[in-house]
Amino acid sequence: GAVVSQHPSRVICKSGTSVKIECRSLDFQATTMFWYRQFPKQSLMLMATSNEGSKATYEQGVEKDKFLINHASLTLSTLTVTSAHPEDSSFYICSALVGVGGYTFGSGTRLTVV
Amino acid sequence: AQSVTQLGSHVSVSEGALVLLRCNYSSSVPPYLFWYVQYPNQGLQLLLKYTTGATLVKGINGFEAEFKKSETSFHLTKPSAHMSDAAEYFCAVSEGGSQGNLIFGKGTKLSVKP
Repeated sequence: GAVVSQHPSRVICKSGTSVKIECRSLDFQATTMFWYRQFPKQSLMLMATSNEGSKATYEQGVEKDKFLINHASLTLSTLTVTSAHPEDSSFYICSALVGVGGYTFGSGTRLTVV
Repeated sequence: AQSVTQLGSHVSVSEGALVLLRCNYSSSVPPYLFWYVQYPNQGLQLLLKYTTGATLVKGINGFEAEFKKSETSFHLTKPSAHMSDAAEYFCAVSEGGSQGNLIFGKGTKLSVKP
């Protein structure tokens, strides 16, 4: 089946630094990738939708200059959290659209900003 | 706009008992509906989904759900709970049919008592 590999699974960074999260589709081409954020004991909230070769579409309230999304190839999408602050600490999950009504998720990245 | 309501943030059952997790949705278009399970610090695993056709959908690990249009519901059931079923469960609806992002409910934490 379609698999999305997400790395790193955990990252701790200092406040003010940037962190890059990668999601790779291993056995299919991911034209569309969704990025979600999940706070502790809460649901997944969509941050942005990226389509290969075009600019990402951000949800209202999500700073596009802070959360940089790149989807330059059909197998790789990245989310970079720039100038991270403690309030950015969260669980980030990517999801690729597969076929009709199919979604496959990465395993998530736990970001802790200290 | 689509939305999902999961009744009960926490459900506790005894091992061997029936599991019933409730989900109601609203959608302006024929919905694509999903149930996912999430274990701590992990991504989401698809349990089952409804797109079209048979309204009773069978998924993995003995779970099933029935799409009831008249009740706008998609409740998840399992006849006999197992300890390994303890996890967080999310109901989701696809926004805009088969190609849109997923809108998630707030999740239901299932506890299984021995």
